[in-house]
Amino acid sequence: DSGVTQTPKHLITATGQRVTLRCSPRSGDLSVYWYQQSLDQGLQFLIQYYNGEERAKGNILERFSAQQFPDLHSELNLSSLELGDSALYFCASSPRASGRIYEQYFGPGTRLTVT
Amino acid sequence: AQTVTQSQPEMSVQEAETVTLSCTYDTSESDYYLFWYKQPPSRQMILVIRQEAYKQQNATENRFSVNFQKAAKSFSLKISDSQLGDAAMYFCAYTIWDSNYQLIWGAGTKLIIKP
Repeated sequence: DSGVTQTPKHLITATGQRVTLRCSPRSGDLSVYWYQQSLDQGLQFLIQYYNGEERAKGNILERFSAQQFPDLHSELNLSSLELGDSALYFCASSPRASGRIYEQYFGPGTRLTVT
Repeated sequence: AQTVTQSQPEMSVQEAETVTLSCTYDTSESDYYLFWYKQPPSRQMILVIRQEAYKQQNATENRFSVNFQKAAKSFSLKISDSQLGDAAMYFCAYTIWDSNYQLIWGAGTKLIIKP
């Protein structure tokens, strides 16, 4: 158990809908990362937050957005869903966003199926 | 461009034997960190081992060790005494000092353990 929690574990929804994925980082970790992993593929970095502020953006679609709240939990919002958005969405956390490098610890992921 | 290449899409090894997974990367930075992550069928991402580029000594974690060749930009993972529980996708990744810890990922190697 990495200490990172994600809810829900599974999500099935229809095209055109909007969903929200939630992540709680490890206790004390200020940095949160979101990744997308499509079937049998590697991870694609989406976005990073540090202590409530957006730090870096990767290959995140305009239909997707995220935020990190004062209690450090983060939400990833996916709207106007398409079949191709079906994937495993991971959240990871690390203690800081600069200075000494820390590992990223991953949550169990949310499996999103768009039908 | 910063890239990570895992040239072996799939590897198989007999239980109790040793296997080496290859990883090469491309960066112009001198200060960076390398990781191997494991993703078993549960899809959980688990950190296996990390290596700081400034350290010449190869990292070791129990049955897992790396062969880090900085000049060759190579970072291979050796698994000794392979066990059935080692069956998973293995991802190589790296991050550089000022990248907000963004991980650059390889495509992964699927490791099959033959009983």
